[in-house]
Amino acid sequence: QVQLVQSGAEVKKPGASVKVSCKASGYTFTTYPIHWMRQAPGQRPEWVGWINADIGNTKHSQKLQGRVTLTRDTSASTAYMELSSLTSEDTAVYYCARGWGYSGYARFDPWGQGTLVIVSS
Amino acid sequence: QSVLTQPPSASGTPGQRVTISCSGSSSNIGSNSVNWYQQLPGTAPKLLIYINNERPSGVPDRFSGSKSGASASLAISGLQSEDEAHYYCAVWDDSLNGVVFGGGTKLTVL
Repeated sequence: QVQLVQSGAEVKKPGASVKVSCKASGYTFTTYPIHWMRQAPGQRPEWVGWINADIGNTKHSQKLQGRVTLTRDTSASTAYMELSSLTSEDTAVYYCARGWGYSGYARFDPWGQGTLVIVSS
Repeated sequence: QSVLTQPPSASGTPGQRVTISCSGSSSNIGSNSVNWYQQLPGTAPKLLIYINNERPSGVPDRFSGSKSGASASLAISGLQSEDEAHYYCAVWDDSLNGVVFGGGTKLTVL
């Protein structure tokens, strides 16, 4: 079955960077984009951006532009999200999800199990 | 102020029908398809409805979606205790050039 498995929880200090991985299985990795979302405690999900798993081009939310880097390793069917210059406001569960389109679409299925990132001094 | 507005809470008794609204604008719901997600406590969101009213395989036909103009609705009929969850609408916003999620509705089954 289609599955996305993410890396484990991280605790980072303010100013540091974090890199979360998302390994896909059960489908051809390069056929669909991978979207990333995050969800702060008690808040709605927030879209981070997408990566074209085939050719690697990306698009990010305006809010996180300049701090987020989306990459992928097609040989490992794995996508990565790196967020730099962390502050306490970046504390959230980060999710990857298979997208059914690029810009213009908000259909994500399935989602990874989530990776908790805590930013604390 | 939220781009997509949902009621913060909804409730119903087993067997009842409930609806959850999602109000947007011409730059999001008015011009793009709406998706709905169900999030059970401590789990990742799960796609419930896509392209306004389509159900992924495995989603019971008790769940249905509709869209009119810049608003959308999720209806749940034959309410069951396992439907107790948060529900989010999501859509692409042409002005923000990104995906926006509604504030979420917590459904309680009384």
